[in-house]
Amino acid sequence: AQTVTQSQPEMSVQEAETVTLSCTYDTSESDYYLFWYKQPPSRQMILVIRQEAYKQQNATENRFSVNFQKAAKSFSLKISDSQLGDAAMYFCAYRSLDNAGGTSYGKLTFGQGTILTVHP
Amino acid sequence: ETGVTQTPRHLVMGMTNKKSLKCEQHLGHNAMYWYKQSAKKPLELMFVYNFKEQTENNSVPSRFSPECPNSSHLFLHLHTLQPEDSALYLCASSQGYGDTEAFFGQGTRLTVV
Repeated sequence: AQTVTQSQPEMSVQEAETVTLSCTYDTSESDYYLFWYKQPPSRQMILVIRQEAYKQQNATENRFSVNFQKAAKSFSLKISDSQLGDAAMYFCAYRSLDNAGGTSYGKLTFGQGTILTVHP
Repeated sequence: ETGVTQTPRHLVMGMTNKKSLKCEQHLGHNAMYWYKQSAKKPLELMFVYNFKEQTENNSVPSRFSPECPNSSHLFLHLHTLQPEDSALYLCASSQGYGDTEAFFGQGTRLTVV
């Protein structure tokens, strides 16, 4: 079974600065997706960025980028020019694409989350 | 607004009560999910419905009973819950099971007293 670990329960950053959230995962599969979701106080989980495991190029979405290290099974999120609206709980998630008849296909596995505080 | 609506937003119930959580999606998706979010724990997948058929039950106690009458609606019926069942219950949907993006509702904050 896959596991996702976020070792930073809480992080803080000054407005306009850069912060990196860590995520590691454990899998024996070669084909999968990785995600970062944001959960603001409104509680609605919002997709921030996704990475296909077969792509070597790191995904970017405006101020959000990832550092995907497949061999190390590491998937960190970098937020540049942090804004007050970035304050939220961030979840790293893994989705199996192993269609070899296993029970994990399609299942979304989440980490424990990291609370990000942005100071003005 | 992501097109997934959950009601109620908050629910307080006694251990002998029966209540239901409702989820509705207007995205034309075929897969719907229930997740449980407890403090300091990862989100736990509870149930998956694909084309109205339950495809996954992650060893959830029988006091939680899901129902999916059509692809747009998903219910979670609750009865004789325990205080440890207090959590945020999130509904999500995706175009197909295993699709890369799942859209979430705002959750129901459940407190069992």
